[in-house]
Amino acid sequence: AQTVTQSQPEMSVQEAETVTLSCTYDTSESDYYLFWYKQPPSRQMILVIRQEAYKQQNATENRFSVNFQKAAKSFSLKISDSQLGDAAMYFCAYNSGYALNFGKGTSLLVTP
Amino acid sequence: EAGVVQSPRYKIIEKKQPVAFWCNPISGHNTLYWYLQNLGQGPELLIRYENEEAVDDSQLPKDRFSAERLKGVDSTLKIQPAELGDSAVYLCASSLGFLGEKAFFGQGTRLTVV
Repeated sequence: AQTVTQSQPEMSVQEAETVTLSCTYDTSESDYYLFWYKQPPSRQMILVIRQEAYKQQNATENRFSVNFQKAAKSFSLKISDSQLGDAAMYFCAYNSGYALNFGKGTSLLVTP
Repeated sequence: EAGVVQSPRYKIIEKKQPVAFWCNPISGHNTLYWYLQNLGQGPELLIRYENEEAVDDSQLPKDRFSAERLKGVDSTLKIQPAELGDSAVYLCASSLGFLGEKAFFGQGTRLTVV
């Protein structure tokens, strides 16, 4: 079974600064996808970014980017120029064709 | 485009009572998921549908939980009877079903069993 580990229960960042959230995963599959989802207090999971395992280039979406290290099975999320609206739970997730397998999440606090 | 719609958003019931949650996926999405999210945890898959067929229900506690997806569109998740430990958020998601395809989530139903 695939496991996803987020070792940081909570992180804090000042507005306009950069923060990196960590994620590691365990799999024997060669073809899979990795995701970061954001869950604000409204509870709706919102897709932040997606990475295909076969692509060496790291995915980027505006202020959000990932550092994908396939050999190390590491998939970290970098948020640049943090905004108050970025405050939420962030979940790393893995999918090899069945369903999303989530980590336990990291709570991100953004301070003015 | 309308998103995934779930109802109700909140439900409070007494233990041993039945409860049902409803989900309307995004139009055209063949794959539908029900996830359980306990407080402070990530979502965990309960059941996955491909059209009207439940293709993965290995994590569904079948003694008290049931689900259906008639006509391959809307889905209902039922608990009977509810236990105190069932208090959680129940999330529905849908996708086109291909590997790596984005899953879109509803706002979830927060269930409190008292």
